[in-house]
Amino acid sequence: SQQGEEDPQALSIQEGENATMNCSYKTSINNLQWYRQNSGRGLVHLILIRSNEREKHSGRLRVTLDTSKKSSSLLITASRAADTASYFCATRGGGFKTIFGAGTRLFVKA
Amino acid sequence: NAGVTQTPKFQVLKTGQSMTLQCAQDMNHNSMYWYRQDPGMGLRLIYYSASEGTTDKGEVPNGYNVSRLNKREFSLRLESAAPSQTSVYFCASSESPVVAGAQETQYFGPGTRLLVL
Repeated sequence: SQQGEEDPQALSIQEGENATMNCSYKTSINNLQWYRQNSGRGLVHLILIRSNEREKHSGRLRVTLDTSKKSSSLLITASRAADTASYFCATRGGGFKTIFGAGTRLFVKA
Repeated sequence: NAGVTQTPKFQVLKTGQSMTLQCAQDMNHNSMYWYRQDPGMGLRLIYYSASEGTTDKGEVPNGYNVSRLNKREFSLRLESAAPSQTSVYFCASSESPVVAGAQETQYFGPGTRLLVL
């Protein structure tokens, strides 16, 4: 079963708007990561948030983590056409296997 | 540094044929992984190698075998390809040896697109 599940499945916004994607997971985690995948490419790591952190920023990215609700959100501010991609959360519970969600497809219209 | 490289980039097989997907990393990483990505299902772990000399099954290992040839290279073999193995295959690596519950940033290759007819 999926450890991480993203919501929404797809999101279409205008350039300059903010984009918010959510991730829910099922078991306790040490950290959660977000990755981006451009069409036809491999995944690229964006940001990691540890279980004892509640919020983290990196440039135009803001990630929050609520371990009580087992959920995380990724906010991209002032979106650009180049942000068009799929975004995945990744978690690992107590074992060795990283579980990726199905992803949110973001389309930013110029 | 090239990072993680994969060959071939694209392959068409007939049912029953075999092939090996190659992966190499030049970052001196300890751990390496093979994933498959199917539409709407995210990435699923096929096999991983926590360190040189070890390999373990992931979520969907059936129909695949792997070899950690050395620290740099991790190959994935399909002995008898089936249409259900049509997918995009990604190799990834991470710096630290895999520790239960811990998670390191993974670095991905560009993928191999496999079509099995």
